[in-house]
Amino acid sequence: AQSVTQLGSHVSVSEGALVLLRCNYSSSVPPYLFWYVQYPNQGLQLLLKYTSAATLVKGINGFEAEFKKSETSFHLTKPSAHMSDAAEYFCAVSGVDSSASKIIFGSGTRLSIRP
Amino acid sequence: DAGVIQSPRHEVTEMGQEVTLRCKPISGHDYLFWYRQTMMRGLELLIYFNNNVPIDDSGMPEDRFSAKMPNASFSTLKIQPSEPRDSAVYFCASSETTGVRNTIYFGEGSWLTVV
Repeated sequence: AQSVTQLGSHVSVSEGALVLLRCNYSSSVPPYLFWYVQYPNQGLQLLLKYTSAATLVKGINGFEAEFKKSETSFHLTKPSAHMSDAAEYFCAVSGVDSSASKIIFGSGTRLSIRP
Repeated sequence: DAGVIQSPRHEVTEMGQEVTLRCKPISGHDYLFWYRQTMMRGLELLIYFNNNVPIDDSGMPEDRFSAKMPNASFSTLKIQPSEPRDSAVYFCASSETTGVRNTIYFGEGSWLTVV
């Protein structure tokens, strides 16, 4: 069964600083991986997804994530944080076989941006 | 497209009452998911449907919870009787298919408070 672990429930960075949100996955085969963002009082929306086409995935709002099989990681980064990036971020995984329809989410990381 | 539509957005009810949450998925999507989000347990998959058929309900917490999908454009999640520990945000989500194109689109959630 697939699972993801997000390291750090809360990350705080200064505006303009690098954003790094960590996610490690557990899967017997390379899975599909996702990052979702949740703004206050809203549902989740897709930032980016990895489907084995390329290890470096670019998403919306300047975010990107790199799939590293050797480290079983899929960390989310953004070179320069904006105030509008403050939100909850979820890493998620799904299988590539019959379980591909079931997406399992991590516990989330709340990102705060300091002026 | 209007996206996934959920109702009600907010509900406050007394313990023991029946609660019905409603969802209209995106037209043409074959998969429908019900998630529950709480501070303590994060985002949990309760149940999901494929072509109106329940595929996996292993996340449904107990018999007080039931979900139906009578047609491709409507689903309900019912709690009877409700308890204070059911207070959470309930998200409905839908996706077009599985695999590479498996992107889940979320509604804005139904905020349930049981007093």
